[in-house]
Amino acid sequence: QLVLTQSPSASASLGASVKVTCTLDSGHSSFAIAWHQQRPGRGPRYLMKVPNDGSHSKGDGIPDRFSGSSAGAERYLTISSLQSEDEADYYCQTWVSGIQVFGGGTKLTVL
Amino acid sequence: QVHLQESGPGLVKPSGTLSLTCDVSGVSISRSYWWTWVRQAPGKGLEWVGEVSHRDITHHNPSLKSRVTISVDWAKNQFSLSLTSATAADTAFYYCARRPDGDYEIDSWGQGTLVTVSP
Repeated sequence: QLVLTQSPSASASLGASVKVTCTLDSGHSSFAIAWHQQRPGRGPRYLMKVPNDGSHSKGDGIPDRFSGSSAGAERYLTISSLQSEDEADYYCQTWVSGIQVFGGGTKLTVL
Repeated sequence: QVHLQESGPGLVKPSGTLSLTCDVSGVSISRSYWWTWVRQAPGKGLEWVGEVSHRDITHHNPSLKSRVTISVDWAKNQFSLSLTSATAADTAFYYCARRPDGDYEIDSWGQGTLVTVSP
């Protein structure tokens, strides 16, 4: 069974950068994932997909401040020049053998 | 650009059936996508409910066993969720979404609708 693990929380200062991590279980360490943002009181929003080759491909209208990368079983979402509107929950997600899987989410606080 | 809009009763009685519809605009539902339902209990994370493809193949979350039915109305360009034997644990925001066939990522989301299971 594929498992995506995220730290429950992260924080960084306004204008700084932050890296959010999603870790794949050892049996699925080569899988690609997608990142989604959920601002308070809103529905999720697709940000980008991150394959295991270190690249990323963003959705329409996603600012350049958002980028993705990978290393081993870890997939990263990096947000630079943090703005107050970036305070949100961030979820990783993927699909395998007919089942969608979500990480538990990381709550990002902008200080 | 695709637009997804959920609709349905906001209140369901325990043991009743939760029924929701997702109206799809901007793309034909017969195109190569998987049409997906995801839910989120208040204050909790995202939980996949199930999906139906443009070929009318369905997958659903094993934890929901046989309570879930997802179907497509090709003429109305919409898809639906039916969840039987509802309990308070099914109280959640329900989102419809889209995943391109052959890909893993959900690339579009509806705004969501809250369904409460209560007497």
